[in-house]
Amino acid sequence: GESVGLHLPTLSVQEGDNSIINCAYSNSASDYFIWYKQESGKGPQFIIDIRSNMDKRQGQRVTVLLNKTVKHLSLQIAATQPGDSAVYFCAERRNQGGKLIFGQGTELSVKP
Amino acid sequence: NAGVMQNPRHLVRRRGQEARLRCSPMKGHSHVYWYRQLPEEGLKFMVYLQKENIIDESGMPKERFSAEFPKEGPSILRIQQVVRGDSAAYFCASRSAGGEGEQFFGPGTRLTVL
Repeated sequence: GESVGLHLPTLSVQEGDNSIINCAYSNSASDYFIWYKQESGKGPQFIIDIRSNMDKRQGQRVTVLLNKTVKHLSLQIAATQPGDSAVYFCAERRNQGGKLIFGQGTELSVKP
Repeated sequence: NAGVMQNPRHLVRRRGQEARLRCSPMKGHSHVYWYRQLPEEGLKFMVYLQKENIIDESGMPKERFSAEFPKEGPSILRIQQVVRGDSAAYFCASRSAGGEGEQFFGPGTRLTVL
């Protein structure tokens, strides 16, 4: 069935460390993936995206890796800060312009 | 440069009443998506609209729920005869016509059904 899932529901890291949040997706036909950050009481905030013809994309302090062989997506956050504490969702898209299918989310907690 | 706007931010209804949720997309965006989020869960797609057209409503319950995006004005998600199970956060997202696919989300409307 349709699903985009996450390996770990919670992740706790020390401030300054790097964080890695993982995601498994089920449909090899998905062509586009997005990571969102959601703080309590707010809407999801776009972090970074990647197309299926790429395997790595970097932003400011964030990197997304895509492994199509094992249908795995990861978000790496460098030098994690307390402001990074939030729930992180991966989402996949099956066709251009279409709906996003979200995973359950990973809650990232940053300890000072 | 205003982002996606939703109102009301919080809505309380009694069982059997109607809930009307509004979404104004980002300026220049003609594509609107509605998602529902239950506590401790991810977002679930409901409906995708362009101006005056419903493109994909595969996530909408068959009864009591409807959505529109008129030529003028905001997109409306309407829930008739609400039940307690409708209590959730409802998010609207928009994107531009030529956009890669990134959808920008509003702050959500938190619906509580008593």
